[in-house]
Amino acid sequence: KQEVTQIPAALSVPEGENLVLNCSFTDSAIYNLQWFRQDPGKGLTSLLLIQSSQREQTSGRLNASLDKSSGRSTLYIAASQPGDSATYLCAVENYGQNFVFGPGTRLSVLP
Amino acid sequence: GAGVSQSPRYKVAKRGQDVALRCDPISGHVSLFWYQQALGQGPEFLTYFQNEAQLDKSGLPSDRFFAERPEGSVSTLKIQRTQQEDSAVYLCASSLFRGGVSAGNTIYFGEGSWLTVV
Repeated sequence: KQEVTQIPAALSVPEGENLVLNCSFTDSAIYNLQWFRQDPGKGLTSLLLIQSSQREQTSGRLNASLDKSSGRSTLYIAASQPGDSATYLCAVENYGQNFVFGPGTRLSVLP
Repeated sequence: GAGVSQSPRYKVAKRGQDVALRCDPISGHVSLFWYQQALGQGPEFLTYFQNEAQLDKSGLPSDRFFAERPEGSVSTLKIQRTQQEDSAVYLCASSLFRGGVSAGNTIYFGEGSWLTVV
């Protein structure tokens, strides 16, 4: 059974810092990995999608990498801003088209 | 509508009461998913529909949970005889095509129905 973990569980940083969020998964037979953002009381917004054949994706200040063989992904946030404060969820898609999510990293960026 | 719509947004149920949660997916979307998210946890898969067919219900935690999508659009998640452990946010998601993101889909999530069982 696929299991996804995320480290750290929570992170509080001053504005402007560069951040790294970590995601690990136990079964490397994934179709893709996706990073989502969840604001309090809201649904999930997709940030970056990495297909299994890819090593990284970039969008603005966000960069996500994937090392499928070691079961790891990192989300790098450059020059963090208070508006980045949210919970960041990592999810892998296995055969069967449903996601297996990690528990999330709660990020607070202080002005 | 413009996005995935869920109702009610908030529901407080007494233990033992039956509840029904509704999901209106984006018009024309073939695939529909239900997830359960406990406080402080990531969402967990409950069930998947392709049009009106429920192709995967492996995540439903007990036979008190039932989902349907009779006309291939609106879906209802029903929980019978609610228990305190059912308290969670229930998220609905939809995508245009069959299959998951690997098939070229983009998946859209609703804002969830927050269920509290007292």
